[in-house]
Amino acid sequence: NAGVTQTPKFQVLKTGQSMTLQCAQDMNHNSMYWYRQDPGMGLRLIYYSASEGTTDKGEVPNGYNVSRLNKREFSLRLESAAPSQTSVYFCASRARVNDSPLHFGNGTRLTVT
Amino acid sequence: AQSVTQPDIHITVSEGASLELRCNYSYGATPYLFWYVQSPGQGLQLLLKYFSGDTLVQGIKGFEAEFKRSQSSFNLRKPSVHWSDAAEYFCAVSGNDYKLSFGAGTTVTVRA
Repeated sequence: NAGVTQTPKFQVLKTGQSMTLQCAQDMNHNSMYWYRQDPGMGLRLIYYSASEGTTDKGEVPNGYNVSRLNKREFSLRLESAAPSQTSVYFCASRARVNDSPLHFGNGTRLTVT
Repeated sequence: AQSVTQPDIHITVSEGASLELRCNYSYGATPYLFWYVQSPGQGLQLLLKYFSGDTLVQGIKGFEAEFKRSQSSFNLRKPSVHWSDAAEYFCAVSGNDYKLSFGAGTTVTVRA
């Protein structure tokens, strides 16, 4: 059982380049999330998808777009990368609202130069 | 909207000593509370969770946490730490929506 799988693990971009971070879960979870982690700031929610076919903004959505491709997959796109988007990105999923915990992938370390 | 404060950025503890990590939350109703641990270069692993009932909850790796509504706190404890407990610990709160909010984290260093 793989859980939540993120690709790639590492990426270096130049300012202005675009890329898509991929995430897939095999736990049949309804909700999926994208967080970014920066030193001293914990995890901040970028976007989430409560269920297949829906997406909503989190705390820090500017500069990002998402696609819930199907129940398994939730991708995060940076259209024009900026140095401020240098971070570690985590995808997560959960079965239900409220009382079920998030299950995390191992993260993508992105550097924008 | 819910929020979490972890007052301690960094804690150093001797191996075999007890550990307590503080967490204060802000939420108008009964919250759903979680503690996660992150080892270097890894994702986050759930240690324990609180939804209702007994205010002292047991988790994995010998951790426990106590919910105190009057203090809006959910502190994590371990009676005797091991070198492998060196990691970053995050408290999180969920309300009646789809969002889970995290604290800034506490880094634990274990000295021999």
